[in-house]
Amino acid sequence: DIVVTQSPDSLAVSLGERATINCKSSRSVSYRSNNKHSLAWYQQKPGQPPNLLIYWASTRESGVPERFSGSGSGTNFTLTINSLQAEDVAVYYCQQYYSTPPTFGPGTKVEI
Amino acid sequence: QVQLVQSGAEVKKPGASVTVSCKASGYTFTTYDINWVRQAAGQGLEWVGWMNPNSGNRGYAQNFQGRVTMATDTSISTAYMELSGLRAEDTAIYYCARGHSGYIYDSWGQGTLVTVSS
Repeated sequence: DIVVTQSPDSLAVSLGERATINCKSSRSVSYRSNNKHSLAWYQQKPGQPPNLLIYWASTRESGVPERFSGSGSGTNFTLTINSLQAEDVAVYYCQQYYSTPPTFGPGTKVEI
Repeated sequence: QVQLVQSGAEVKKPGASVTVSCKASGYTFTTYDINWVRQAAGQGLEWVGWMNPNSGNRGYAQNFQGRVTMATDTSISTAYMELSGLRAEDTAIYYCARGHSGYIYDSWGQGTLVTVSS
């Protein structure tokens, strides 16, 4: 199984500032043939199911604010939240779907 | 809009079985896989398995092989997950999720809390 790790475990960011979350996979999750990266990001608020933010490492899901962006390739990926808003307080998970079973990182808690 | 509505919370004794349902609406049920993911309290997300309602193909995570069964009823756009031989460690919220392009989960059920306690 591909192991996915995240850093940091938690971070506190001031309103309007930038949050950066890192995600690392134990093996590459990128397809060299088409340069696509099988990595997604989810946001989970307390008492709610996860919500898809980003897939293919950098494609924003419909309706997701532009302040959320994803980047990276191979084994290293980043979720950036620009100009953090109060409603962005949540736990963020990355997930690889390159191989079965799909696996999730342990989560990063973002606080104000 | 796409909706996945799951059945209510369950309390089971160790060794028992539980079935969780997931009713889909707002899209053609047979055109997307249904996956199941669980989350223990304060913990991360663990994939349980998937099923394609059109073909009936399914796959389960190694940790659940022999204990989990997934099924769908396309006439009522509902997916089911049965977990048997329950143990305390199975206490968790179980989510169904619609998968596109494999395992990209763009819509989730509200979750079903399964509590295993003697």
